[in-house]
Amino acid sequence: QKEVEQNSGPLSVPEGAIASLNCTYSDRVSQSFFWYRQYSGKSPELIMSIYSNGDKEDGRFTAQLNKASQYVSLLIRDSQPSDSATYLCAVENYGGSQGNLIFGKGTKLSVKP
Amino acid sequence: KAGVTQTPRYLIKTRGQQVTLSCSPISGHRSVSWYQQTPGQGLQFLFEYFSETQRNKGNFPGRFSGRQFSNSRSEMNVSTLELGDSALYLCASRPGQATYEQYFGPGTRLTVT
Repeated sequence: QKEVEQNSGPLSVPEGAIASLNCTYSDRVSQSFFWYRQYSGKSPELIMSIYSNGDKEDGRFTAQLNKASQYVSLLIRDSQPSDSATYLCAVENYGGSQGNLIFGKGTKLSVKP
Repeated sequence: KAGVTQTPRYLIKTRGQQVTLSCSPISGHRSVSWYQQTPGQGLQFLFEYFSETQRNKGNFPGRFSGRQFSNSRSEMNVSTLELGDSALYLCASRPGQATYEQYFGPGTRLTVT
């Protein structure tokens, strides 16, 4: 069974700080990686995708990928209370009983005003 | 472009009954996946349909079934409901099997009493 691991949190950061969310995965051949944000009672929303080693920036969000270490991270700069949510890491999978994306259980982020 | 839609949004059923949930993918998307989300288990993959064919199936009992129509709309059915089936059921679509980015619908909240 392939795995995607995330620290469940909660991760608490003050408003304006950088929030750092981490994810490790077990399948060395995976090539596509995604971050979803899920507000309480809502469905997951895709916020970042990354396919190559290094950093990818989109506004206040930066995704980082290190395939050699099988590690993906999401940095949120200038964190806002509206960023408070659970962040799910998802990794490409070639189908089977786990489907085409394997999700971690999520890290709950709380941004304090 | 309209997003993924799911109906109904909320449902209350009693044990032993059956239920049918519906999902309409983003226009042009041919792949639909279904997930069950509970607080303790996270997102669990149920099945994926592509071009009216089930491509992958998760480790759920045969009470859980689905289908996809020629217009890519999908339904999932749960027969003989159990209390443990209470969950948020999410549908996600993607353009095709070469693309791993998935977009989720708002979900159907099923409560079994």
